[in-house]
Amino acid sequence: GAVVSQHPSRVICKSGTSVKIECRSLDFQATTMFWYRQFPKQSLMLMATSNEGSKATYEQGVEKDKFLINHASLTLSTLTVTSAHPEDSSFYICSARDGTTYEQYFGPGTRLTVT
Amino acid sequence: GEDVEQSLFLSVREGDSSVINCTYTDSSSTYLYWYKQEPGAGLQLLTYIFSNMDMKQDQRLTVLLNKKDKHLSLRIADTQTGDSAIYFCAEISGGYNKLIFGAGTRLAVHP
Repeated sequence: GAVVSQHPSRVICKSGTSVKIECRSLDFQATTMFWYRQFPKQSLMLMATSNEGSKATYEQGVEKDKFLINHASLTLSTLTVTSAHPEDSSFYICSARDGTTYEQYFGPGTRLTVT
Repeated sequence: GEDVEQSLFLSVREGDSSVINCTYTDSSSTYLYWYKQEPGAGLQLLTYIFSNMDMKQDQRLTVLLNKKDKHLSLRIADTQTGDSAIYFCAEISGGYNKLIFGAGTRLAVHP
């Protein structure tokens, strides 16, 4: 089946620094990628939708200047958490939608801890 | 707006069947999904059903869809300890754009 990878799987950073998370579709082209955030024992909250070559669409309440999303190619999207704070600590999951089948495949997630 | 609801917890004995229920509100949803999440991991697509179907069976998994009541269920036959996980139902909303997830049902399988 289709595979989506995320890197890194875990990251610890200091408050005030920026962290970049990569999401790659390994064997298909993803015209659309989604970024989710998941708090412990809670559901996934959609943060933003990114389409290759255009600006991301952010959900209400998500700060676009804080969570920078770049979808530079059909296989790569990045999420940069700028000036991270402890409250940004969370599990970030991306998904990629196959441009041919429209099925969504999820990455394994990135655990971000801000100290 | 769109909303998906699930019961939060289900406990079953190994070998029994598990039934996880879900209700949704968007009647225009074309696809409904079941995902499995194990601790510390991403989501694994288990199965999905197109909105013009009533039932879909895939090995131990049976999905039932009652479109009139906007009710979706996932039945796992012969539940095993490896089935212990959180199960999310989700609907497509916004013209194939967004997946709307339920809160997830934590399935615990005991001997």
